Amino acid sequence: DAGVTQSPTHLIKTRGQQVTLRCSPKSGHDTVSWYQQALGQGPQFIFQYYEEEERQRGNFPDRFSGHQFPNYSSELNVNALLLGDSALYLCASSPGEQGPWRGAFFGQGTRLTVV
Amino acid sequence: TQLLEQSPQFLSIQEGENLTVYCNSSSVFSSLQWYRQEPGEGPVLLVTVVTGGEVKKLKRLTFQFGDARKDSSLHITAAQPGDTGLYLCAGVHNFNKFYFGSGTKLNVKP
Repeated sequence: DAGVTQSPTHLIKTRGQQVTLRCSPKSGHDTVSWYQQALGQGPQFIFQYYEEEERQRGNFPDRFSGHQFPNYSSELNVNALLLGDSALYLCASSPGEQGPWRGAFFGQGTRLTVV
Repeated sequence: TQLLEQSPQFLSIQEGENLTVYCNSSSVFSSLQWYRQEPGEGPVLLVTVVTGGEVKKLKRLTFQFGDARKDSSLHITAAQPGDTGLYLCAGVHNFNKFYFGSGTKLNVKP
């Protein structure tokens, strides 16, 4: 079992550009959540996808959007990048509609640097 | 404002010492989870507690959920250098929305 895999692991973008991050959930998991973690902070919830729909959303602007595919993999898109978007972006998967209630499995993250 | 407050933020102790990390909130959670995160890696789930007053043990780690399901503690007995890392608590609201604390950075010196 490969667990949760994210790509790429590191990325450098210029302010104003757009970026797409990818996540493949753990086998058997159908709920995917995305988090932003600034250095020295706890992860901040961005949004959650279940059955290809966004179910929950944190306090992030519309520049942050996502998608879930029929195979449960997911993408996070960020438009008009700002320097403050530099962070570790984490994807977490869990099984079923109430999966996160019992715990989530995280990928290793994508380190995004905006210059 | 963080929904979950963790304390202390930083902890540096000698190998063999005991320590307790606290996670507090004014909100009630469906469940509360503890994770450990290494630098450059994603958090790894240690335990989930769901019942008020519940106590779970994982080797030298003891986790407790408050009776009112608003707070939790993590106690480590005889800490070892391998326990070094960022410890995060996460509360689950309405069964599917996570709120993470800001974390406790633990350094155990040999």
